[in-house]
Amino acid sequence: DTAVSQTPKYLVTQMGNDKSIKCEQNLGHDTMYWYKQDSKKFLKIMFSYNNKELIINETVPNRFSPKSPDKAHLNLHINSLELGDSAVYFCASSHRLSYNEQFFGPGTRLTVL
Amino acid sequence: AQKITQTQPGMFVQEKEAVTLDCTYDTSDPSYGLFWYKQPSSGEMIFLIYQGSYDQQNATEGRYSLNFQKARKSANLVISASQLGDSAMYFCAMREGDTGFQKLVFGTGTRLLVSP
Repeated sequence: DTAVSQTPKYLVTQMGNDKSIKCEQNLGHDTMYWYKQDSKKFLKIMFSYNNKELIINETVPNRFSPKSPDKAHLNLHINSLELGDSAVYFCASSHRLSYNEQFFGPGTRLTVL
Repeated sequence: AQKITQTQPGMFVQEKEAVTLDCTYDTSDPSYGLFWYKQPSSGEMIFLIYQGSYDQQNATEGRYSLNFQKARKSANLVISASQLGDSAMYFCAMREGDTGFQKLVFGTGTRLLVSP
């Protein structure tokens, strides 16, 4: 059983396009996150939603727009893709009452040509 | 300022030996949590072990243990009896605050290579 799933696993697209990455968790968690891992493997938080409300928004360009239709889903939409957006994007989830765990999805490798 | 520091970009160990991966952290919050994740070449992030700032004992999970030295602000991961499958990137991360919806701040990682 997949705990945190993301689609697609790979995404190759042209500069200027708009794309979305979907994330779903079946752990019953109430908080979901998006992290970006750059080419040097550095992982950085982008957004966090708790019960469908945005609670963390790091300094991310407004071309990135997260959307949480319900507690189990957090999608990431990216407008006007740029070369520098190429990275691996990880979705993660946790529960606000379970401070000792945060589980990650398999990642989506985005390549912008 | 870097909140999580992993000073070893790469480590080598022979199979069946123990290895320690270093992690130091910086926070003024009295309540925090420290996580270790493994990222194999396949790319997924695998949760290994957690240590809370108020935990009296060092965390252990199978062959993984966390050497938590609060005064020195270090949280080193010890892998006993290394296996070839332990070859991967290892990331130390910190959560500040005592709720489950705080962000994780990651270190730059250590690449571990286990040789036969």
